[in-house]
Amino acid sequence: AQKVTQTQTSISVVEKTTVTMDCVYETRDSSYFLFWYKQTASGEIVFLIRQDSYKKENATVGHYSLNFQKPKSSIGLIITATQIEDSAVYFCAMREGDSNYQLIWGSGTKLIIKP
Amino acid sequence: GPKVLQIPSHQIIDMGQMVTLNCDPVSNHLYFYWYKQILGQQMEFLVNFYNGKVMEKSKLFKDQFSVERPDGSYFTLKIQPTALEDSAVYFCASSLVLGGREQYFGPGTRLTVL
Repeated sequence: AQKVTQTQTSISVVEKTTVTMDCVYETRDSSYFLFWYKQTASGEIVFLIRQDSYKKENATVGHYSLNFQKPKSSIGLIITATQIEDSAVYFCAMREGDSNYQLIWGSGTKLIIKP
Repeated sequence: GPKVLQIPSHQIIDMGQMVTLNCDPVSNHLYFYWYKQILGQQMEFLVNFYNGKVMEKSKLFKDQFSVERPDGSYFTLKIQPTALEDSAVYFCASSLVLGGREQYFGPGTRLTVL
């Protein structure tokens, strides 16, 4: 069955440090796509970064990078040099293959960046 | 990044009434989606729409729900009649192609059914 699990409900870190958020997924497909989105305090949902299952290299976009561990079905999000405005709820999501259209979402991790 | 617009931002209606939620997807996108988020909970997929047809829908997409995009205008989600459990934030999303590309989300419409 398809499932995305984020076990960290909330994380609090000091500004300018590095934070890692965990996500594990379950799928029977050999081809799938993994995404991280953030939802700001206003409710806006912003796409951050994507990892295609067939790619071995970890994706990196700006100060976001992924730790893709395929044997463990894990896709962690790493944010370096955190800023106050990174405070948000971060969602991990998965889409399976090319025959499914929907995103399966995790429950989210609330990130609090303290000054 | 690409912008998806949703109108209205907030809608309050009485149970049993009809409501239409409007989405203006990114102009060159071909795939459209509706998701439902109950306050404080995770996002849940409702339906995907392409080339004038529903491609996939979840169990949450009840018979009272319908979607359409007449002549390239708004992509709409209609609920008729509404129920109390329909109260949630509804997010519209669009994507250019299907193959693993990211979906871009609108700001959501908060629906309150009294």
